[in-house]
Amino acid sequence: QSVLTQPPSVSGAPGQRVTISCTGSSSNIGTGYDVHWYQQLPGTAPKLLIYGNTNRPSGVPDRFSGSKSGTSASLAITGLQAEDEADYYCQSFDSRLSIYVFGTGTKVTVL
Amino acid sequence: QLQLQESGPGLVKPSETLSLTCTVSGGSITSSRYYWGWVRQPPGKGLEWIGNIYYSGGTFYNPSLKSRVSMSVDTSNDQFSLKLSSVTAADTAVYYCAREDYLTAGNWFDPWGQGTLVTVSS
Repeated sequence: QSVLTQPPSVSGAPGQRVTISCTGSSSNIGTGYDVHWYQQLPGTAPKLLIYGNTNRPSGVPDRFSGSKSGTSASLAITGLQAEDEADYYCQSFDSRLSIYVFGTGTKVTVL
Repeated sequence: QLQLQESGPGLVKPSETLSLTCTVSGGSITSSRYYWGWVRQPPGKGLEWIGNIYYSGGTFYNPSLKSRVSMSVDTSNDQFSLKLSSVTAADTAVYYCAREDYLTAGNWFDPWGQGTLVTVSS
C-alpha cells in the first residue's frame, strides 16, 4: 500500500547536500495533508525528523529540512555526515484509502 | 520524557491471535491531545500503519486489516493493546507502538517504542 514513492537510494560524500523526494497524489499530499519524515538507523525504531512539512523537533540538527509543493515533498540533508547513513521514510494521510501511509523508503549512503 | 515499550509473545502459531501491549511511561495516556498507534515493519521491508486508539476507546483501523484487528486501552495502567487474529506468515514483522500527534492536517508518530519482533510459525 505504498502510495508515496521515494527513490530507493541516494548517496553523497561527507559535507555534501542530498535530497530525498516523496511523490504522492491528489488523494494525499496534493490534497493538503501534511508530510512528515523519519530516520531509521539500522536495527532501531524510526525517529521523527520533520513534522508538518517543515518543522524540526527539538534536538534534530538544522542540517535536516523539509519542503512540500503540489503532490510532492522533499527532505534535504546538508553537510552530510557518516552518522546520517540510515533509511528515511516520508509519511502522510491518504483520503482515498483512509489510512496513514508511509513512503517506500530511501537508503542514504555516505561515501 | 515520554517512553513507550511493547511487550508480548515473540512467536505466534498460524491461525492464532497475536497480542501485544504498549506501556506508556513518563506521561499519561489520558492526554486529550494524542492518539496511540501501532505500526509494523516486515523484515527488510517498509512501514505499515495498523491503526490507532484514543484514550476514551475510539479506534481507527487500517481497512486492509480491519476484519482482524482489535485495539483497547487501559487508562489505569497507561497501557494500550493490539490484537490481530487469524495470523499468517505475512504478519511476521517488528511491531511498534507510537504516540500520534497532529497540527492541522494529519498525524505523525513520535515517540516510538523500540519495537518487538513477532514471528508467525508453527
